[in-house]
Amino acid sequence: GQNIDQPTEMTATEGAIVQINCTYQTSGFNGLFWYQQHAGEAPTFLSYNVLDGLEEKGRFSSFLSRSKGYSYLLLKELQMKDSASYLCAVRDTNYQLIWGAGTKLIIKP
Amino acid sequence: ETGVTQTPRHLVMGMTNKKSLKCEQHLGHNAMYWYKQSAKKPLELMFVYSLEERVENNSVPSRFSPECPNSSHLFLHLHTLQPEDSALYLCASSQEEGSGSYEQYFGPGTRLTVT
Repeated sequence: GQNIDQPTEMTATEGAIVQINCTYQTSGFNGLFWYQQHAGEAPTFLSYNVLDGLEEKGRFSSFLSRSKGYSYLLLKELQMKDSASYLCAVRDTNYQLIWGAGTKLIIKP
Repeated sequence: ETGVTQTPRHLVMGMTNKKSLKCEQHLGHNAMYWYKQSAKKPLELMFVYSLEERVENNSVPSRFSPECPNSSHLFLHLHTLQPEDSALYLCASSQEEGSGSYEQYFGPGTRLTVT
């Protein structure tokens, strides 16, 4: 079967760094996406990885290891507005997205 | 503003009612999606339309019926729903071209409550 695992909830302090992990087992791989979803709002695209390595975009970075079926999203200089759910999704052989349940990130002052 | 709009934003309906959800994308994309999002569960893909043809329906119950009259509009017709169908229904669109990395853009969703 297809499975994507990520922690249910994480807590971090404003100004700190947090790493949200995602592991996957899917039928084929055509890229991995990270989305941010604030409560009551639509998911918004953060990053895309298709090759191994680190992709950096401002305060956010995403890493991929295809051989390990593993990715992480790194958030630096955390701000209160970063409190949200972070969704990991893998594009499978049929180019459809398989989604994780999301990680709720709580930022404390 | 993501360029994808959904109406209504909230809907309460009885199990014998018939209602429709509407989605419109203003991004010129060629693929549209319906997802169901329940609390603490992964997004569930319900339907995919690519170039106005249904590509995937993922064994969704027949009480959910999609319609895609053109590349900009998508409907989800609902009838004789069950309480367990209460959820957030999200519409998304993307530009699908070969193996591109094109991300999906989501609408704000319709919060559906079945009583």
